[in-house]
Amino acid sequence: EDQVTQSPEALRLQEGESSSLNCSYTVSGLRGLFWYRQDPGKGPEFLFTLYSAGEEKEKERLKATLTKKESFLHITAPKPEDSATYLCAVQVRDNYGQNFVFGPGTRLSVLP
Amino acid sequence: EAQVTQNPRYLITVTGKKLTVTCSQNMNHEYMSWYRQDPGLGLRQIYYSMNVEVTDKGDVPEGYKVSRKEKRNFPLILESPSPNQTSLYFCASSSPGQGRETQYFGPGTRLLVL
Repeated sequence: EDQVTQSPEALRLQEGESSSLNCSYTVSGLRGLFWYRQDPGKGPEFLFTLYSAGEEKEKERLKATLTKKESFLHITAPKPEDSATYLCAVQVRDNYGQNFVFGPGTRLSVLP
Repeated sequence: EAQVTQNPRYLITVTGKKLTVTCSQNMNHEYMSWYRQDPGLGLRQIYYSMNVEVTDKGDVPEGYKVSRKEKRNFPLILESPSPNQTSLYFCASSSPGQGRETQYFGPGTRLLVL
């Protein structure tokens, strides 16, 4: 069974305190791994897509990396506006490639 | 502005009363999906559609129906809602091809079934 887990469940950081979020997956055939940000009461907002082990993507204070079993979202010198829930999703199956399995998310709080 | 819209945003209903949640996108995307989000379970895919008149089940399709008669619209139908369908629902759209599968999500519909 395809499965995605994320850790930690919740993370509190001081402004400027860098850290990493983890996304571990066991899937039959990975087509892509996606990171989203979700603010309370809103739909997920796309951040990154990674397709192969070793790939890295960066955007402002965020950097996503991918290995064969997991992905990390590194947050460098976070600011309070980075507070949100971060979701990881894997794209699986070969039929139409539109089956996505999401992890439960990591709730990040950045304190001023 | 490129967007996915859902209506209604909030809905309270009673067990067994049929309801429809509409979803529309203005990006000419081929793919559309419905998800439900529950605490501790994350987003789970209900149904998805590859194009007009082409749909397939996701991971939790029981109790739901969908249709795709037009490219821009993908309504979610609950023929006989039950309390365990109380949830936050999201519609999403995307295009095929590596590098283009980014899903754009709607604002969500919060459903309470009494």
